[in-house]
Amino acid sequence: DVKVTQSSRYLVKRTGEKVFLECVQDMDHENMFWYRQDPGLGLRLIYFSYDVKMKEKGDIPEGYSVSREKKERFSLILESASTNQTSMYLCASSFTRAGTEAFFGQGTRLTVV
Amino acid sequence: GQQVMQIPQYQHVQEGEDFTTYCNSSTTLSNIQWYKQRPGGHPVFLIQLVKSGEVKKQKRLTFQFGEAKKNSSLHITATQTTDVGTYFCAGTGAGNNRKLIWGLGTSLGVNP
Repeated sequence: DVKVTQSSRYLVKRTGEKVFLECVQDMDHENMFWYRQDPGLGLRLIYFSYDVKMKEKGDIPEGYSVSREKKERFSLILESASTNQTSMYLCASSFTRAGTEAFFGQGTRLTVV
Repeated sequence: GQQVMQIPQYQHVQEGEDFTTYCNSSTTLSNIQWYKQRPGGHPVFLIQLVKSGEVKKQKRLTFQFGEAKKNSSLHITATQTTDVGTYFCAGTGAGNNRKLIWGLGTSLGVNP
C-alpha cells in the first residue's frame, strides 16, 4: 500500500512563528505536491516538486516555501505564520507518467493564533 | 489559465435517490480523475478516464468523459449513506502531465 505520511495531524502555532510541515512518501514517486483546503475553495496548489531540489510555484505560493532534499520527503515552510494561513494542508505524491493518480496524506490541520 | 468548473456545489438527497455531479473544463483535457473525500478524511482516488466518450462503471457509480474531452460526469444510482462526502474532479491539461487542475468539489449529503 502506498503511504503518504504527514508529520502532524493537528498543529497550533503563534503568529510570526516559522512553521515546518513534513511529508514523506514510500512509493518512489517523482512528483510531490502541497495543497491547502478551505471550505468552499476546494484544493489550492501551493507548490509542487517533480524531482529532488526542483520546485515550482502553484497557484498560491505567497507566504510559503518548500524544500525537497530527498526524493521521499517534501517540506512546506511558513516563513512567518499568519492567521490567514489557518487551514487544512494536504500533501500528495504521484508518478510522473501521464495521468497517474495522486495519493494524499491524512492532512495537517494548522491553526495560527 | 485552465479552469475546471464543477456543479452543483452542494446536494442533499434522500437515500435511494440518484445523484450526478458535472465538471466542465475551459480547455481540452488529456484525462480526468475523480476523487472522493469523506468528512474529516483526505481525497481518495476513484477512477481515471482517458479516452474521448469513455464510460466506466464501479458498482453504482458511472463515470463519463465527454467526446470533446472537456467535460465529465459522475452519476450515483440509488445513493446510500456511505456515499456521503465531497466528490472532486481533477484534470490534466494537454502537454502538462504533472499538475492536476481541480474542480471545487460537490458535497453530497444523504438523508436516511
